[in-house]
Amino acid sequence: GENVEQHPSTLSVQEGDSAVIKCTYSDSASNYFPWYKQELGKGPQLIIDIRSNVGEKKDQRIAVTLNKTAKHFSLHITETQPEDSAVYFCAASSLGSARQLTFGSGTQLTVLP
Amino acid sequence: AAGVIQSPRHLIKEKRETATLKCYPIPRHDTVYWYQQGPGQDPQFLISFYEKMQSDKGSIPDRFSAQQFSDYHSELNMSSLELGDSALYFCASSELLTQDRNTEAFFGQGTRLTVV
Repeated sequence: GENVEQHPSTLSVQEGDSAVIKCTYSDSASNYFPWYKQELGKGPQLIIDIRSNVGEKKDQRIAVTLNKTAKHFSLHITETQPEDSAVYFCAASSLGSARQLTFGSGTQLTVLP
Repeated sequence: AAGVIQSPRHLIKEKRETATLKCYPIPRHDTVYWYQQGPGQDPQFLISFYEKMQSDKGSIPDRFSAQQFSDYHSELNMSSLELGDSALYFCASSELLTQDRNTEAFFGQGTRLTVV
Protein backbone atom coordinates (compact mmCIF):
# COMPACT_ATOMS: atom_id res chain seq x y z
CA GLY A 1 0.00 0.00 0.00
CA GLU A 2 0.83 3.66 -0.12
CA ASN A 3 3.10 5.24 2.48
CA VAL A 4 3.39 9.01 2.80
CA GLU A 5 6.13 10.65 4.83
CA GLN A 6 5.92 14.31 5.83
CA HIS A 7 8.52 16.69 7.20
CA PRO A 8 8.94 18.64 9.37
CA SER A 9 6.55 17.67 12.15
CA THR A 10 6.66 21.21 13.57
CA LEU A 11 7.55 24.49 11.90
CA SER A 12 7.69 27.98 13.36
CA VAL A 13 8.12 31.02 11.13
CA GLN A 14 7.90 34.75 11.59
CA GLU A 15 4.91 36.50 10.10
CA GLY A 16 5.68 37.44 6.51
CA ASP A 17 8.24 34.68 6.02
CA SER A 18 7.73 31.63 3.82
CA ALA A 19 6.98 28.11 5.00
CA VAL A 20 7.80 24.90 3.15
CA ILE A 21 6.49 21.44 3.98
CA LYS A 22 7.73 18.36 2.14
CA CYS A 23 6.23 14.94 1.50
CA THR A 24 7.35 11.78 -0.21
CA TYR A 25 5.18 8.89 -1.35
CA SER A 26 5.91 5.29 -2.20
CA ASP A 27 3.24 4.09 -4.63
CA SER A 28 4.01 5.04 -8.21
CA ALA A 29 0.31 4.52 -9.03
CA SER A 30 -0.65 7.54 -6.92
CA ASN A 31 -1.57 10.46 -9.12
CA TYR A 32 -3.53 12.85 -6.92
CA PHE A 33 -1.89 14.87 -4.14
CA PRO A 34 -4.05 17.15 -1.99
CA TRP A 35 -3.00 19.29 0.95
CA TYR A 36 -5.30 19.79 3.91
CA LYS A 37 -5.32 22.37 6.69
CA GLN A 38 -6.79 21.27 10.00
CA GLU A 39 -7.61 23.65 12.79
CA LEU A 40 -8.20 22.43 16.31
CA GLY A 41 -11.43 20.49 16.67
CA LYS A 42 -12.31 20.79 12.99
CA GLY A 43 -12.23 18.55 9.98
CA PRO A 44 -9.44 18.74 7.40
CA GLN A 45 -10.04 21.42 4.79
CA LEU A 46 -8.56 21.15 1.32
CA ILE A 47 -6.34 24.11 0.48
CA ILE A 48 -4.75 23.00 -2.78
CA ASP A 49 -4.24 19.84 -4.79
CA ILE A 50 -2.12 18.72 -7.71
CA ARG A 51 -2.44 15.91 -10.21
CA SER A 52 0.42 13.95 -11.69
CA ASN A 53 0.10 15.55 -15.12
CA VAL A 54 1.11 18.91 -13.63
CA GLY A 55 4.44 19.89 -12.04
CA GLU A 56 3.38 23.02 -10.21
CA LYS A 57 0.19 24.77 -9.16
CA LYS A 58 -0.30 28.11 -7.48
CA ASP A 59 -3.23 29.75 -5.73
CA GLN A 60 -2.44 33.19 -4.33
CA ARG A 61 0.01 32.66 -1.43
CA ILE A 62 -0.03 28.88 -1.69
CA ALA A 63 1.84 26.75 -4.21
CA VAL A 64 2.49 23.05 -4.59
CA THR A 65 5.22 21.36 -6.60
CA LEU A 66 5.39 17.74 -7.67
CA ASN A 67 8.40 15.69 -8.77
CA LYS A 68 7.03 12.37 -10.02
CA THR A 69 10.45 10.90 -10.65
CA ALA A 70 11.53 11.47 -7.08
CA LYS A 71 8.00 10.81 -5.71
CA HIS A 72 8.18 14.05 -3.85
CA PHE A 73 5.79 16.97 -3.46
CA SER A 74 5.95 20.16 -1.45
CA LEU A 75 3.70 22.91 -0.11
CA HIS A 76 4.93 26.48 -0.16
CA ILE A 77 3.18 29.25 1.75
CA THR A 78 4.47 32.77 1.17
CA GLU A 79 3.84 35.91 3.21
CA THR A 80 2.63 33.83 6.13
CA GLN A 81 0.01 35.25 8.49
CA PRO A 82 -0.95 34.22 12.04
CA GLU A 83 -4.19 32.72 10.71
CA ASP A 84 -2.10 30.26 8.69
CA SER A 85 -1.21 28.57 11.99
CA ALA A 86 -2.71 25.05 11.92
CA VAL A 87 -1.77 21.44 11.24
CA TYR A 88 -1.13 20.75 7.57
CA PHE A 89 -1.46 17.27 6.08
CA CYS A 90 -0.29 16.08 2.71
CA ALA A 91 -2.04 13.09 1.16
CA ALA A 92 -1.81 10.81 -1.86
CA SER A 93 -4.39 8.83 -3.75
CA SER A 94 -5.25 7.38 -7.13
CA LEU A 95 -7.86 8.94 -9.35
CA GLY A 96 -10.37 6.83 -11.20
CA SER A 97 -11.49 4.80 -8.21
CA ALA A 98 -12.85 5.38 -4.74
CA ARG A 99 -9.40 4.88 -3.35
CA GLN A 100 -8.73 6.30 0.03
CA LEU A 101 -6.42 9.18 0.80
CA THR A 102 -3.25 8.16 2.59
CA PHE A 103 -2.17 11.02 4.82
CA GLY A 104 1.23 12.16 5.96
CA SER A 105 1.83 12.54 9.68
CA GLY A 106 1.09 16.27 9.69
CA THR A 107 3.04 19.49 10.27
CA GLN A 108 2.13 21.87 13.06
CA LEU A 109 2.78 25.30 11.56
CA THR A 110 3.02 28.24 13.93
CA VAL A 111 3.28 31.74 12.52
CA LEU A 112 4.68 34.11 15.10
CA PRO A 113 3.40 37.70 14.97
CA ALA B 1 -23.14 25.63 0.23
CA ALA B 2 -24.10 22.36 1.85
CA GLY B 3 -21.31 20.50 3.58
CA VAL B 4 -20.82 17.01 4.93
CA ILE B 5 -22.95 16.59 8.04
CA GLN B 6 -21.93 14.23 10.81
CA SER B 7 -23.88 13.34 13.87
CA PRO B 8 -23.53 13.32 16.73
CA ARG B 9 -20.68 15.80 17.22
CA HIS B 10 -19.78 14.31 20.58
CA LEU B 11 -20.46 10.88 22.02
CA ILE B 12 -19.51 9.30 25.32
CA LYS B 13 -19.84 5.54 25.71
CA GLU B 14 -18.72 2.97 28.21
CA LYS B 15 -16.49 0.03 27.41
CA ARG B 16 -18.25 -2.82 25.64
CA GLU B 17 -21.11 -0.58 24.53
CA THR B 18 -22.16 0.06 20.95
CA ALA B 19 -22.04 3.34 19.02
CA THR B 20 -23.48 4.43 15.69
CA LEU B 21 -22.06 7.41 13.83
CA LYS B 22 -23.92 8.99 10.95
CA CYS B 23 -22.70 10.84 7.88
CA TYR B 24 -24.74 12.79 5.36
CA PRO B 25 -22.67 13.54 2.25
CA ILE B 26 -22.88 16.59 0.07
CA PRO B 27 -25.81 16.24 -2.37
CA ARG B 28 -24.88 14.37 -5.54
CA HIS B 29 -21.70 12.98 -4.01
CA ASP B 30 -21.61 9.25 -4.59
CA THR B 31 -18.53 8.32 -2.56
CA VAL B 32 -18.18 8.30 1.22
CA TYR B 33 -15.02 7.69 3.24
CA TRP B 34 -14.59 7.09 6.97
CA TYR B 35 -11.42 8.06 8.82
CA GLN B 36 -10.28 7.69 12.41
CA GLN B 37 -7.96 10.31 13.92
CA GLY B 38 -6.32 9.71 17.28
CA PRO B 39 -4.88 12.59 19.33
CA GLY B 40 -1.95 14.17 17.52
CA GLN B 41 -2.16 11.68 14.68
CA ASP B 42 -3.04 11.81 11.01
CA PRO B 43 -6.41 10.52 9.82
CA GLN B 44 -6.35 6.77 9.24
CA PHE B 45 -8.60 5.37 6.54
CA LEU B 46 -11.23 2.90 7.72
CA ILE B 47 -13.58 2.17 4.84
CA SER B 48 -15.20 3.73 1.78
CA PHE B 49 -18.35 3.27 -0.26
CA TYR B 50 -19.12 4.09 -3.87
CA GLU B 51 -22.70 3.94 -5.05
CA LYS B 52 -23.76 2.12 -1.89
CA MET B 53 -21.20 -0.63 -2.24
CA GLN B 54 -18.03 -1.02 -0.24
CA SER B 55 -15.19 0.07 -2.46
CA ASP B 56 -12.10 0.03 -0.28
CA LYS B 57 -11.19 -1.18 3.17
CA GLY B 58 -8.45 0.04 5.43
CA SER B 59 -7.60 -0.54 9.06
CA ILE B 60 -11.16 -1.06 10.23
CA PRO B 61 -11.48 -3.49 13.18
CA ASP B 62 -13.80 -6.46 12.82
CA ARG B 63 -15.87 -4.95 15.63
CA PHE B 64 -16.78 -2.08 13.30
CA SER B 65 -19.08 -2.21 10.31
CA ALA B 66 -20.46 0.39 7.97
CA GLN B 67 -22.91 0.76 5.16
CA GLN B 68 -24.18 3.32 2.70
CA PHE B 69 -27.92 3.64 2.25
CA SER B 70 -30.08 4.37 -0.78
CA ASP B 71 -30.07 8.11 0.03
CA TYR B 72 -26.22 7.92 0.14
CA HIS B 73 -25.94 8.62 3.83
CA SER B 74 -23.61 6.30 5.67
CA GLU B 75 -23.45 4.85 9.17
CA LEU B 76 -20.46 3.50 11.05
CA ASN B 77 -21.43 0.92 13.66
CA MET B 78 -18.96 0.23 16.43
CA SER B 79 -19.50 -2.62 18.87
CA SER B 80 -17.68 -3.88 21.97
CA LEU B 81 -16.08 -0.47 22.36
CA GLU B 82 -12.60 -0.29 23.83
CA LEU B 83 -10.79 2.61 25.45
CA GLY B 84 -8.51 2.76 22.41
CA ASP B 85 -11.47 3.54 20.17
CA SER B 86 -11.59 7.05 21.64
CA ALA B 87 -10.82 9.32 18.70
CA LEU B 88 -12.21 11.77 16.19
CA TYR B 89 -14.12 10.02 13.42
CA PHE B 90 -14.36 11.89 10.16
CA CYS B 91 -16.54 11.25 7.19
CA ALA B 92 -15.66 12.67 3.79
CA SER B 93 -17.58 12.67 0.55
CA SER B 94 -16.74 13.27 -3.06
CA GLU B 95 -17.81 12.58 -6.55
CA LEU B 96 -15.75 9.76 -7.97
CA LEU B 97 -12.34 11.31 -8.47
CA THR B 98 -11.21 11.10 -12.08
CA GLN B 99 -8.64 12.83 -14.22
CA ASP B 100 -11.37 14.78 -15.99
CA ARG B 101 -13.15 16.17 -12.98
CA ASN B 102 -11.97 18.98 -10.81
CA THR B 103 -13.45 17.64 -7.63
CA GLU B 104 -12.21 17.00 -4.14
CA ALA B 105 -13.00 15.13 -0.96
CA PHE B 106 -14.84 17.29 1.55
CA PHE B 107 -14.57 16.41 5.21
CA GLY B 108 -17.22 16.78 7.87
CA GLN B 109 -16.58 18.32 11.28
CA GLY B 110 -16.16 14.90 12.83
CA THR B 111 -17.61 12.99 15.75
CA ARG B 112 -15.55 12.95 18.91
CA LEU B 113 -16.02 9.55 20.53
CA THR B 114 -14.90 9.10 24.11
CA VAL B 115 -14.96 5.61 25.59
CA VAL B 116 -14.81 5.52 29.38
